[in-house]
Amino acid sequence: AQSVSQHNHHVILSEAASLELGCNYSYGGTVNLFWYVQYPGQHLQLLLKYFSGDPLVKGIKGFEAEFIKSKFSFNLRKPSVQWSDTAEYFCAVNALRGFKTIFGAGTRLFVKA
Amino acid sequence: EPEVTQTPSHQVTQMGQEVILRCVPISNHLYFYWYRQILGQKVEFLVSFYNNEISEKSEIFDDQFSVERPDGSNFTLKIRSTKLEDSAMYFCASSATVGGYEQYFGPGTRLTVT
Repeated sequence: AQSVSQHNHHVILSEAASLELGCNYSYGGTVNLFWYVQYPGQHLQLLLKYFSGDPLVKGIKGFEAEFIKSKFSFNLRKPSVQWSDTAEYFCAVNALRGFKTIFGAGTRLFVKA
Repeated sequence: EPEVTQTPSHQVTQMGQEVILRCVPISNHLYFYWYRQILGQKVEFLVSFYNNEISEKSEIFDDQFSVERPDGSNFTLKIRSTKLEDSAMYFCASSATVGGYEQYFGPGTRLTVT
């Protein structure tokens, strides 16, 4: 069965610190990978996605993620976080011709001003 | 930019009552989904819907749940007899095609069962 694991449940950083959130997935076939963000009181928004091609994908707000197929990983990074990045971040996967998207448990990021 | 909308934003109901949660997917999308997120837990897939029928459902989606596309724009989730454990945020999503494209999520309906 598909599953997604996010390594950190809570992360606290100071502004300008670098961010890396880990994500590993379990699925034997071809997958599409996503990072979603949920700001306080708001709905899920897509940060970035990987379907194929360059394994380093860039998303909105300076975020990027790297797909490492051999490690079944899709880690999210940002070189310098801002207070406004405080949110919950979800890694997600769906199969190439699948219907459902499987979400990780989420990582709550708090950025201290 | 087109977006998925959901109504109501918050619904309070008593245990045993029926509720209908409504969604208007993005107009040219063909695949529709419901997810839920119990407070403090992960987002869970409930059901997907295509061509007027359920294409996939999770074990959570039991006989008390049903979905319908009553007209060309709305997509509804009905919970026949609500339980306390149905309290959650329910998200509707739509996509242009299956897999391959991201699913666009609505803002959610917070369902509180008392």
